[in-house]
Amino acid sequence: KAGVTQTPRYLIKTRGQQVTLSCSPISGHRSVSWYQQTPGQGLQFLFEYFSETQRNKGNFPGRFSGRQFSNSRSEMNVSTLELGDSALYLCASSLPYNEQFFGPGTRLTVL
Amino acid sequence: GIQVEQSPPDLILQEGANSTLRCNFSDSVNNLQWFHQNPWGQLINLFYIPSGTKQNGRLSATTVATERYSLLYISSSQTTDSGVYFCAVQVHDMRFGAGTRLTVKP
Repeated sequence: KAGVTQTPRYLIKTRGQQVTLSCSPISGHRSVSWYQQTPGQGLQFLFEYFSETQRNKGNFPGRFSGRQFSNSRSEMNVSTLELGDSALYLCASSLPYNEQFFGPGTRLTVL
Repeated sequence: GIQVEQSPPDLILQEGANSTLRCNFSDSVNNLQWFHQNPWGQLINLFYIPSGTKQNGRLSATTVATERYSLLYISSSQTTDSGVYFCAVQVHDMRFGAGTRLTVKP
């Protein structure tokens, strides 16, 4: 069974731009969660989608948004990028309230 | 929200030594997982263990849900065990501890 895939793997943007990251879950998993990892704040929950609906949301500004498609693939978008948005963005998929499996991450650098 | 504390924050071992990593959490949880993050950032699943004891080779884990802690045991450590180990708990969303950075020296 193929694992969680994320694209792109690396991304460089400048302040003020926007970015879209993509995540394809494990086949059969309908729950997709997103996390941000930074050296200062560690791993923080962004949001979770299940069956195209946002089920939970972390404590992040409205510049961070996401969506999920009918095939369970998910995208997250960050608008008006700030230097502090530089991070590793991780996506995980799971069955509802079950073991989460993570993708390799997208490393975003904001210049 | 729920608090997750991992100890120790850093651990340096000689190859072949054993170690115990601890995870304390502040409230009842539905799920608990242990991960190993490799140098490229990938989180590798070690254990899905909301309660009880599991073993996988040189690694084992125990979660005592009623006392709100979990332990990860690494026996006969190898240099490839180096990296950061995370505990994560889930009530509604998943919360991670700050991790234990393990360095195994040859």
